[in-house]
Amino acid sequence: NAGVTQTPKFQVLKTGQSMTLQCAQDMNHEYMSWYRQDPGMGLRLIHYSVGAGITDQGEVPNGYNVSRSTTEDFPLRLLSAAPSQTSVYFCASSYELAVEQYFGPGTRLTVT
Amino acid sequence: GESVGLHLPTLSVQEGDNSIINCAYSNSASDYFIWYKQESGKGPQFIIDIRSNMDKRQGQRVTVLLNKTVKHLSLQIAATQPGDSAVYFCAENISNQAGTALIFGKGTTLSVSS
Repeated sequence: NAGVTQTPKFQVLKTGQSMTLQCAQDMNHEYMSWYRQDPGMGLRLIHYSVGAGITDQGEVPNGYNVSRSTTEDFPLRLLSAAPSQTSVYFCASSYELAVEQYFGPGTRLTVT
Repeated sequence: GESVGLHLPTLSVQEGDNSIINCAYSNSASDYFIWYKQESGKGPQFIIDIRSNMDKRQGQRVTVLLNKTVKHLSLQIAATQPGDSAVYFCAENISNQAGTALIFGKGTTLSVSS
């Protein structure tokens, strides 16, 4: 199993540009989530999904959209990037809500 | 604000010493806690978890202690090795009207010198 994979590993955007961060898992987990990690802030939940077709907002959802058309994939979209979205983004999955989560390697995003 | 936090942002120990990393939580209804280890440039990795009906759980070289009376969680690492150098996060299962989520603390950076 590859576990949780994320692409790209690094990305630089200009303010106002859009992009999609990809996340995929091959463990047949129902629960997937996106976090951002900023220095001194720990991990903060952006959006999560409890299954295909079902998503919900986390702690810091503004500026981000998600969809879950399949069990395997959970992309995160930035419609109009802002410098405040400069961060490291982690995708995670688990077999059940709010138990041990498996994290991907992260995407480091810089918005200039 | 954060409902899960750590007492110290950094901890420095000598190789072979035992390390204790602390975490305080504020939600008395939380029933599940996890410790994660994050090495530089990588995603968090699960270390050990504990449910609120337990006060101690042991793994390989690690022990988690839960004191519900004072809402305190600790991670003990025995015979700390240089490979243990990382940032350690505690996470708390919080359930409210909005749903259930894991909330992470800000992390403690453990530095192990040989």
